[in-house]
Amino acid sequence: AQSVTQPDIHITVSEGASLELRCNYSYGATPYLFWYVQSPGQGLQLLLKYFSGDTLVQGIKGFEAEFKRSQSSFNLRKPSVHWSDAAEYFCAVGAPGTASKLTFGTGTRLQVTL
Amino acid sequence: NAGVTQTPKFQVLKTGQSMTLQCAQDMNHEYMSWYRQDPGMGLRLIHYSVGAGITDQGEVPNGYNVSRSTTEDFPLRLLSAAPSQTSVYFCASSYRTSGPFEQYFGPGTRLTVT
Repeated sequence: AQSVTQPDIHITVSEGASLELRCNYSYGATPYLFWYVQSPGQGLQLLLKYFSGDTLVQGIKGFEAEFKRSQSSFNLRKPSVHWSDAAEYFCAVGAPGTASKLTFGTGTRLQVTL
Repeated sequence: NAGVTQTPKFQVLKTGQSMTLQCAQDMNHEYMSWYRQDPGMGLRLIHYSVGAGITDQGEVPNGYNVSRSTTEDFPLRLLSAAPSQTSVYFCASSYRTSGPFEQYFGPGTRLTVT
């Protein structure tokens, strides 16, 4: 069975600082990987996704993520955080042929200080 | 194109009451899913459907029923609500594929059971 671990429950960064949110997955083959963001009281917005090919993927809002097969990781990065990035971030994994099922991590809440 | 819609946005139930959370999509997606979101636990799959007339259980199906009579609609029924079902519920849809996919999420329903 697939699983996702987000080891950081809560992260605080200063505005303008760089950000890296960690995500580790467990799956027997190359999974489909996703990062979602959820602002308070809002739904989920897809930031980026990885299926195959180039291991560095670009997303919306200046975010990027790198797939590292050797480390079973898919960490999310942003070079300079804005106060509006404060939200909860979820990593998720899916498998080929299972487009109706995603497995989510427990989330990382990002706080941005001014 | 409204995407995935959910009603109601908020609901308060008393223990033992029943209700149906509505989910509809206008993208002609064959796959639909229900998740619940609880603090510190991310999103967990309740039930999913790969087409009209076909449903299956996810990770946390107990206490919930679903049916899929049309491609557009995928209602979630709570037959006898319990406080443990207090949560935020998200519906999602995606197109049929054996390859890369993306799930589109509704805005969520916040349910409180007292």
